[in-house]
Amino acid sequence: EPEVTQTPSHQVTQMGQEVILRCVPISNHLYFYWYRQILGQKVEFLVSFYNNEISEKSEIFDDQFSVERPDGSNFTLKIRSTKLEDSAMYFCASSVDRSSYEQYFGPGTRLTVT
Amino acid sequence: GENVEQHPSTLSVQEGDSAVIKCTYSDSASNYFPWYKQELGKRPQLIIDIRSNVGEKKDQRIAVTLNKTAKHFSLHITETQPEDSAVYFCAASIDDMRFGAGTRLTVKP
Repeated sequence: EPEVTQTPSHQVTQMGQEVILRCVPISNHLYFYWYRQILGQKVEFLVSFYNNEISEKSEIFDDQFSVERPDGSNFTLKIRSTKLEDSAMYFCASSVDRSSYEQYFGPGTRLTVT
Repeated sequence: GENVEQHPSTLSVQEGDSAVIKCTYSDSASNYFPWYKQELGKRPQLIIDIRSNVGEKKDQRIAVTLNKTAKHFSLHITETQPEDSAVYFCAASIDDMRFGAGTRLTVKP
């Protein structure tokens, strides 16, 4: 069964550095998402992406965040200047159609900012 | 934006008992309500979902009910087993998906 994949599984970075988290959505899916989960807390929506542009974004998704689909398979989340509070698990998800359809989550990237 | 409240935050039941988790949402335009199970350190896994044109859905030991008038929906797990122990999240979706705070379910053998 096809799965969403994410790399790396764990990323450690210093405050102020840029990080890029990578995702490969399921191949026939058209909508892509990024979520954040701070340890022990709920899953928080960051952004949705469709047809090479942002569809929706939350209040968390400020100017330090950006997303890109650089080629036909990868979907990336860039955090420009990381802060300590960016430490969290970041999940990518994809769905066949918009968010009223099943979203399949990747295994996550644990980001630790020191 | 949409706001999802989930109760209880923790729930402990004896194996074989039923478990019920409740969620309320604020935006009457929400039309999709999934439930996710998350085991420690793992990704959220969809266990059941319901759309706004349906009042109830069942899949073996799991059922979800939706009351659109009251803007609440519930997850029911019958004949609980220790492997049901996990954190369960509800969510409500229009254009983006908003999650509840989660319920840590513990099933004691």
